This record gives sequence, structure tokens and C-alpha cells, in this order.
Amino acid sequence: DGGITQSPKYLFRKEGQNVTLSCEQNLNHDAMYWYRQDPGQGLRLIYYSQIVNDFQKGDIAEGYSVSREKKESFPLTVTSAQKNPTAFYLCASSIGQSRSYEQYFGPGTRLTVT
Amino acid sequence: GNSVTQMEGPVTLSEEAFLTINCTYTATGYPSLFWYVQYPGEGLQLLLKATKADDKGSNKGFEATYRKETTSFHLEKGSVQVSDSAVYFCALRGGSGGTSYGKLTFGQGTILTVHP
Repeated sequence: DGGITQSPKYLFRKEGQNVTLSCEQNLNHDAMYWYRQDPGQGLRLIYYSQIVNDFQKGDIAEGYSVSREKKESFPLTVTSAQKNPTAFYLCASSIGQSRSYEQYFGPGTRLTVT
Repeated sequence: GNSVTQMEGPVTLSEEAFLTINCTYTATGYPSLFWYVQYPGEGLQLLLKATKADDKGSNKGFEATYRKETTSFHLEKGSVQVSDSAVYFCALRGGSGGTSYGKLTFGQGTILTVHP
């Protein structure tokens, strides 16, 4: 089955540590995205990538970093510079950037930093 | 910039009741509009979409019509079930180029609870 996998589902870290969230897709999609979801709020875009070896900052990129070395993979690193990292993180992919293409979402990773 | 506004929730209904969740948007150009559903602890699933004015998206008994004149995309279902309990997100994807191109902009979500 084609889809997006995110691992792990739950992640716990101590304050001051960097942590990397995994996102893999086998849909052969060019575009990939990272969103953050906080309780009672919609999703906010962190980073996106339209093609391998290229990515752009979204609306809330501070304290995060990404890489796109392979088409299938788009890992997100939450650095110690992120002031409030506890959240639900969702990865998504799309065939391309055209407005008519929907985005497909993974199951999410819930990160708790204490 | 683009924005999406959904009706305040939570919404609580009895089984077989009629559902409307309002969604209005602000965007330049000709965006596509989407409704996504999120079940507890899961990612988002696409429920339906419309890519141009007067299009009607439909799926699993849910419908929404792209109304450019009122900049709205209200979600409706004639008879809800307990299994419809979830969070519903309205979203738009811009098409005017520039920094908004291709990005999904979400509303804040509406929690729906359906009681037997």
C-alpha cells in the first residue's frame, strides 16, 4: 500500500536536546511538507520541499531544520532553539505544487519535551 | 495573505441530525478548497475538494459547494452518524503564484461530536 509513514508515534525528549522526526513516502510525490498542530488550532506550515535537494521555510521555521536528500524522505529536526517544541507534528506530500493537488498526510508524531 | 475561517465549535448533534459547518475564505486568485477530517490521535484524511467556482465536492454523504460570490465552502451532511465524530478542517490551496503558491492554509478546525 502506498502512503506516508512517520516514526515514532510518540517521542519524549529533555529540554536542550535536538530531536529528528522521520517522514517517508512511497507515493512518488515530488512535494513534501511539515506542519505543526497545537490544541484547538489549525495546522501551521514549518517547511516544505518541492524537489530533492531544495526546501523553503514556511510560516514558523524558526528552531527547525530539514533536509531532502532523497525523494522519499523529508526528516525534520527540532532544535534546542525552538522555544515551545511540544506539539503534534504532521508530514504531508503532494504530486506537485499545483493548487488542484491535494496533500496526503501521515499519522503524525506527538513530541513531548520536558 | 490567504486565510480560512471556520465556525466556532464544538458542535454536538444527535445521530441522524443535519450537519452544517461553515467555512469562509480570503484569497487572491483562484484557490482550490478542501475539507479534511481528523480522528483522535491520527493524521488528516481528505474528505472532499473543489477546484473551481460552483464545483460540488462530495464523499461519504458529505457535500460542499465552492461559492466564489460568497467566498464560502460550507460542509453539509444530511444525516450524521456516531462514527462521524471527529475534527473537521477547511483548507485552501492558493493558485496565484508568489509565496502562497501551493501552500495549504487551514481553518482552526471544528470538533464534531455525535451522540446515539
